Amino acid sequence: TQLLEQSPQFLSIQEGENLTVYCNSSSVFSSLQWYRQEPGEGPVLLVTVVTGGEVKKLKRLTFQFGDARKDSSLHITAAQPGDTGLYLCAGLRSNDYKLSFGAGTTVTVRA
Amino acid sequence: EAGVVQSPRYKIIEKKQPVAFWCNPISGHNTLYWYLQNLGQGPELLIRYENEEAVDDSQLPKDRFSAERLKGVDSTLKIQPAELGDSAVYLCASSTDSGRDTDTQYFGPGTRLTVL
Repeated sequence: TQLLEQSPQFLSIQEGENLTVYCNSSSVFSSLQWYRQEPGEGPVLLVTVVTGGEVKKLKRLTFQFGDARKDSSLHITAAQPGDTGLYLCAGLRSNDYKLSFGAGTTVTVRA
Repeated sequence: EAGVVQSPRYKIIEKKQPVAFWCNPISGHNTLYWYLQNLGQGPELLIRYENEEAVDDSQLPKDRFSAERLKGVDSTLKIQPAELGDSAVYLCASSTDSGRDTDTQYFGPGTRLTVL
């Protein structure tokens, strides 16, 4: 059983549309990270959020950490084909600093 | 600066055979991680090293898996004997300090293992 549940599992949209990926847990995390992974490569860190309620923006990507530090969302505005990839959320537990990953959301942006 | 280097990138073996994966972390990174990633899943931690000490190997199946990080730099992960269910991508990652909320793990490209 995954500690972090991501939804949806798959997302296919047209270029220019917006999308949101969700990451939920019943556990509290000291921080939450979002990664993007492309085929044949390892995950690459996009952002780390630490404070409950925190919002971070990275160009067209907006990341939010829930007030209770149990959930997070990733919103992409005006998606482009280059945004295609597997998006993974990962929560860091303060008791053992172990990073627990969700199963990922596969995003496909069609030109 | 070179990233995390892993080899081989691909490995195909028969079941019951041994296999080894090698990882060279980013220079200066004291912490090294081995993860297993099954198809359609996120990475799962197998073992974490702080320098040459394995500080978390609770998820490593010790009956067939072993790992070492001699001299606190390169690391090797071994499976002996391999089973069909071991087919997966094995990822290595490194970081400077695992004790911080904002610690960044840098991942290598992984080794894709296929057990026939």
